[in-house]
Amino acid sequence: RKEVEQDPGPFNVPEGATVAFNCTYSNSASQSFFWYRQDCRKEPKLLMSVYSSGNEDGRFTAQLNRASQYISLLIRDSKLSDSATYLCVVNGPTGGFKTIFGAGTRLFVKA
Amino acid sequence: NAGVTQTPKFQVLKTGQSMTLQCAQDMNHNSMYWYRQDPGMGLRLIYYSASEGTTDKGEVPNGYNVSRLNKREFSLRLESAAPSQTSVYFCASRFRGNTGELFFGEGSRLTVL
Repeated sequence: RKEVEQDPGPFNVPEGATVAFNCTYSNSASQSFFWYRQDCRKEPKLLMSVYSSGNEDGRFTAQLNRASQYISLLIRDSKLSDSATYLCVVNGPTGGFKTIFGAGTRLFVKA
Repeated sequence: NAGVTQTPKFQVLKTGQSMTLQCAQDMNHNSMYWYRQDPGMGLRLIYYSASEGTTDKGEVPNGYNVSRLNKREFSLRLESAAPSQTSVYFCASRFRGNTGELFFGEGSRLTVL
């Protein structure tokens, strides 16, 4: 089993749609969680951190469920510019240096 | 702001040739990392350096060596390139340890024929 698993997609949605991505992780001692965005042939960039209480940044909402070891990302009112690959990222236990990347979920938003 | 700078951006090698990928960061970060990214596999850690003067193996270190030249620079060397090392290589850095955001360079696309 992979340490971080994501549905690879692709998700094809029309502009204005709401789309949700899920991610599961295997190490219950993982300490922090993130969503990164990666555009085609570009480097990954931080989209948002993920907290147990849930957090929102504009059209983006991230949620963490530690009991189920599950992370989600919700994108509302999708824009063409949201087309990208979304990477689920999990940092290992405190004091270590392990960061695990999911393989990514591809999103295509069409007009 | 330069952030994390990698060179070269593109390279084609023949099997058995050697090369070094250079990485430098200007954010005064302590930790630096080298990843490779292959289709469908996500980023995999090759080597990392927790601080100046230290380096450690990651998930896929075979065929690679690294040098943390100083706090700013972290290089990755392929001594005898193999076609299996065809990949996109990303250097990354963060302030300390295993917390906080990773900042990535733009990537180096390597093809080994």
